[in-house]
Amino acid sequence: DTEVTQTPKHLVMGMTNKKSLKCEQHMGHRAMYWYKQKAKKPPELMFVYSYEKLSINESVPSRFSPECPNSSLLNLHLHALQPEDSALYLCASSHGLAGGGEQFFGPGTRLTVL
Amino acid sequence: QKEVEQNSGPLSVPEGAIASLNCTYSDRVSQSFFWYRQYSGKSPELIMSIYSNGDKEDGRFTAQLNKASQYVSLLIRDSQPSDSATYLCAVIAPSGTYKYIFGTGTRLKVLA
Repeated sequence: DTEVTQTPKHLVMGMTNKKSLKCEQHMGHRAMYWYKQKAKKPPELMFVYSYEKLSINESVPSRFSPECPNSSLLNLHLHALQPEDSALYLCASSHGLAGGGEQFFGPGTRLTVL
Repeated sequence: QKEVEQNSGPLSVPEGAIASLNCTYSDRVSQSFFWYRQYSGKSPELIMSIYSNGDKEDGRFTAQLNKASQYVSLLIRDSQPSDSATYLCAVIAPSGTYKYIFGTGTRLKVLA
């Protein structure tokens, strides 16, 4: 199984809402990532978890809160987002230490903030 | 100077031709290089990784790495309209944090 799954596929939320994005992998990977991608731009790294511990936070605003409940799951909790946060949110995983090898991406969650 | 550079395109090639996509990087100590394909509205899909100088072939795809010249390329033989996508080059940042540094991507159009 070489699949990373993400739910939901699409999410529309207001600026006062609280929502969560979920990511799951069953490849035994020990590093998991959250990226944000705007149209016609490359993915932009947000957070990296290595062995369930937060390894990298790319100075992401606190309205984005990551969580890694176990080695297979990664969540991104959203609160008080702004319209400019509308983007494709991608989860990825890799086998070894954070960033040390091939990353496999999930299908993404298309987020719209009204 | 950008850390990873790609021509944004679009690169247009006729069906059946060889498409050549190039990527240059600025940090000499980079060791790991990756090519991803991304269809519009979809997530990036790993095509190939390459770590050593030379060529690496997988089906219709060949990755070429030249560390002395600091470039990595992707050749697509017998290009098909279904290869029309944006191709992202990614380089592992050698700073110790092991992050991907992405290029801006090259948009490829294969004309039927």
